[in-house]
Amino acid sequence: SQQGEEDPQALSIQEGENATMNCSYKTSINNLQWYRQNSGRGLVHLILIRSNEREKHSGRLRVTLDTSKKSSSLLITASRAADTASYFCATELDSNYQLIWGAGTKLIIKP
Amino acid sequence: NAGVTQTPKFQVLKTGQSMTLQCAQDMNHNSMYWYRQDPGMGLRLIYYSASEGTTDKGEVPNGYNVSRLNKREFSLRLESAAPSQTSVYFCASSFLQGDTQYFGPGTRLTVL
Repeated sequence: SQQGEEDPQALSIQEGENATMNCSYKTSINNLQWYRQNSGRGLVHLILIRSNEREKHSGRLRVTLDTSKKSSSLLITASRAADTASYFCATELDSNYQLIWGAGTKLIIKP
Repeated sequence: NAGVTQTPKFQVLKTGQSMTLQCAQDMNHNSMYWYRQDPGMGLRLIYYSASEGTTDKGEVPNGYNVSRLNKREFSLRLESAAPSQTSVYFCASSFLQGDTQYFGPGTRLTVL
């Protein structure tokens, strides 16, 4: 069963625009992580946000976490063609430390 | 540092054949994982090893076995491959469970 669900499933925007994708989950977590996967490659870690944190930044990435709504969002500002990829959220359950993965958001940046 | 390496990169099997996927990490991580990824889906955990000497089932363990050979190496074995096991398999490692995971490049397996 999917703990994390990303929304939207696919997103296509113009280069230079901001991209926002969301992740919702169902049970209590220790942390939530965002990863990027370029086509046919392994996943690359972007940001980890702990359950007691509300916002984190890394370069052009901004992640927010709302534990009351059990949701997180990933904002990519000033998008570039190289940002074209699938983005996954993964939640670490506080019950057994396992990471549970969503199905991902496929982001396409049009030049 | 090579990070996480996996072999082979590609494999085609016939139904009923067996094979072992190899994974090694050089980051001195304690925890290692095997996932499968099917088209349009996220990762599903097959087995994991929280620390050297331990292995546990994940979400989809049926049809697979694992061995944590030492701290560096974690192998996944398909004893009798089935077409439903056609997938891309990723190995990952982390310093501790729940930490950031580092992924290998994946093995594309096709079972005919």
